[in-house]
Amino acid sequence: KQEVTQIPAALSVPEGENLVLNCSFTDSAIYNLQWFRQDPGKGLTSLLLIQSSQREQTSGRLNASLDKSSGRSTLYIAASQPGDSATYLCAVRRSGNTPLVFGKGTRLSVIA
Amino acid sequence: GAVVSQHPSRVICKSGTSVKIECRSLDFQATTMFWYRQFPKQSLMLMATSNEGSKATYEQGVEKDKFLINHASLTLSTLTVTSAHPEDSSFYICSARPLTGGDEKLFFGSGTQLSVL
Repeated sequence: KQEVTQIPAALSVPEGENLVLNCSFTDSAIYNLQWFRQDPGKGLTSLLLIQSSQREQTSGRLNASLDKSSGRSTLYIAASQPGDSATYLCAVRRSGNTPLVFGKGTRLSVIA
Repeated sequence: GAVVSQHPSRVICKSGTSVKIECRSLDFQATTMFWYRQFPKQSLMLMATSNEGSKATYEQGVEKDKFLINHASLTLSTLTVTSAHPEDSSFYICSARPLTGGDEKLFFGSGTQLSVL
């Protein structure tokens, strides 16, 4: 059974810092991996999706990498801002007709 | 982009009542809907998978008679929490898999915060 772990569980940084969020998964046979942002009491905002054949994806200040063989992904946030404060969730899918399996998330606080 | 509408966004009810949550794909047909629930500071946990026109498949530990799922059309799935109790208070969110256009992404509703008094 796939398990997704995210480290750290919580992170507090001053504004402007670059930071890295980590995600690991136990079964490397994945279809794709997705990073989401969740604000308190809200739904999910998809940030980046990496197909199993890809190594990384970039969007603005965000860069996600995938090392499928080692079961790891990182989300890099450059020049963090207070508006980046949220919970970041990592999730993987085994195939195109299966659901996402989520980690518990990293709660990020960016202090002005 | 594809939009999934989920209603209500928030509901407060008395213990023992039933609550229906709707998940509707607005601009695409969804062959499969996934229902998740999230307790405070926990991850999203899959409750059940529903396919249009067939019975839902429930995850281990999820009571199918308590959480009734209906996926009667390719654009609508509903989750009914029957005889809700305080321990059912949680954030419920649906996710839709498009019938066409690729399997890369699943699209999420905005979630329903259920509070049972």
